[in-house]
Amino acid sequence: SAVISQKPSRDICQRGTSLTIQCQVDSQVTMMFWYRQQPGQSLTLIATANQGSEATYESGFVIDKFPISRPNLTFSTLTVSNMSPEDSSIYLCSVRLRGKETQYFGPGTRLLVL
Amino acid sequence: GDSVTQMEGPVTLSEEAFLTINCTYTATGYPSLFWYVQYPGEGLQLLLKATKADDKGSNKGFEATYRKETTSFHLEKGSVQVSDSAVYFCAQGVRGGADGLTFGKGTHLIIQP
Repeated sequence: SAVISQKPSRDICQRGTSLTIQCQVDSQVTMMFWYRQQPGQSLTLIATANQGSEATYESGFVIDKFPISRPNLTFSTLTVSNMSPEDSSIYLCSVRLRGKETQYFGPGTRLLVL
Repeated sequence: GDSVTQMEGPVTLSEEAFLTINCTYTATGYPSLFWYVQYPGEGLQLLLKATKADDKGSNKGFEATYRKETTSFHLEKGSVQVSDSAVYFCAQGVRGGADGLTFGKGTHLIIQP
């Protein structure tokens, strides 16, 4: 498995501001993903973080709202831009190890937008 | 597109009862299938998985068998405990692919002593 950390673990933000979430993993992984879990809901894939190139976004998510970086194999950031209360969610980073089918999830970042 | 459907909760059982949480999937190919669990206040953990038809995943007394003919991956446990109270998510992923997972809506399980 992999040990995944996320920072911050939680935050309360004002409408219109932006928050950058960091994801660090302890081993070199092939794939990194970002998910959103809205209150009481399931997980929805936001995008695949690609090393050294632009992220691949799912339908309904755009780079201007959720810019993602992945400068190396073990680190990625997700920014939630120009936040509104509808962005209040848990944001989760996940990774897939080389040669493995399983995705492992970070502890999540709990975001509340006022 | 690919999707996962699982029974909605909450599901409330008494301790030592038999548990089944149904999960079915639609996919264009032959996906890998997973059950994840989210205990109160904790992150998402892999419970078990199966990567091909007729495989049985098992962990902590839970089992699920990959049934291609019925496109199902039902989660079962013979005797539940209060500590099994959690939200359970069924998910699928493209086998060997580079995509993220598709999750079901989750089933909230409550075990009463």
